[in-house]
Amino acid sequence: GAGVSQSPSNKVTEKGKDVELRCDPISGHTALYWYRQSLGQGLEFLIYFQGNSAPDKSGLPSDRFSAERTGGSVSTLTIQRTQQEDSAVYLCASSPDGSLTDTQYFGPGTRLTVL
Amino acid sequence: AQTVTQSQPEMSVQEAETVTLSCTYDTSENNYYLFWYKQPPSRQMILVIRQEAYKQQNATENRFSVNFQKAAKSFSLKISDSQLGDTAMYFCAFSRDIYEKLTFGTGTRLTIIP
Repeated sequence: GAGVSQSPSNKVTEKGKDVELRCDPISGHTALYWYRQSLGQGLEFLIYFQGNSAPDKSGLPSDRFSAERTGGSVSTLTIQRTQQEDSAVYLCASSPDGSLTDTQYFGPGTRLTVL
Repeated sequence: AQTVTQSQPEMSVQEAETVTLSCTYDTSENNYYLFWYKQPPSRQMILVIRQEAYKQQNATENRFSVNFQKAAKSFSLKISDSQLGDTAMYFCAFSRDIYEKLTFGTGTRLTIIP
């Protein structure tokens, strides 16, 4: 596709359930980022993948959060035992080589609501 | 740790007027990168303008320009001849290095009034 896609666009879940959020980056982009945007807050960095390097997980808020990137392309963000404070929009972005002199292209996000 | 502060949660301006959005940041780095992103209701984040700290000249992109004051750690965005399509959330962001993650401010909701 022409841009970054994310699925689902909206997800409602019950507290304690696990959820998986998917990101399809732009083809050929080696860098992939996950961010979280809570109501009234700015974007919070979660995790960063660059090629075959070990991911930068420094932004993950707890061990309930994990992410993987298969084959250097599609990424899945998993939240286990969801809590109400996990409710937010989760944004994925990709860039050609991870250099910020390149634009980060953002997807439309997944709005997660934990009841 | 780096912090980015946007002190104006909301702003509104008449169409065709000029508006300036404020951003301050805190860092001990000498070289770094600053960004303004626009987030319309579609939730896409669109890069508006980028400034490299080692460049003294303020960046300009068409109607968008910045006032970068390195000593004051200030990075404001000026939108000239504002248009209805400029209505969006605007985020200021910082990065220590071109390969580092972005640290965002909390955003300014800008409304352009017809």
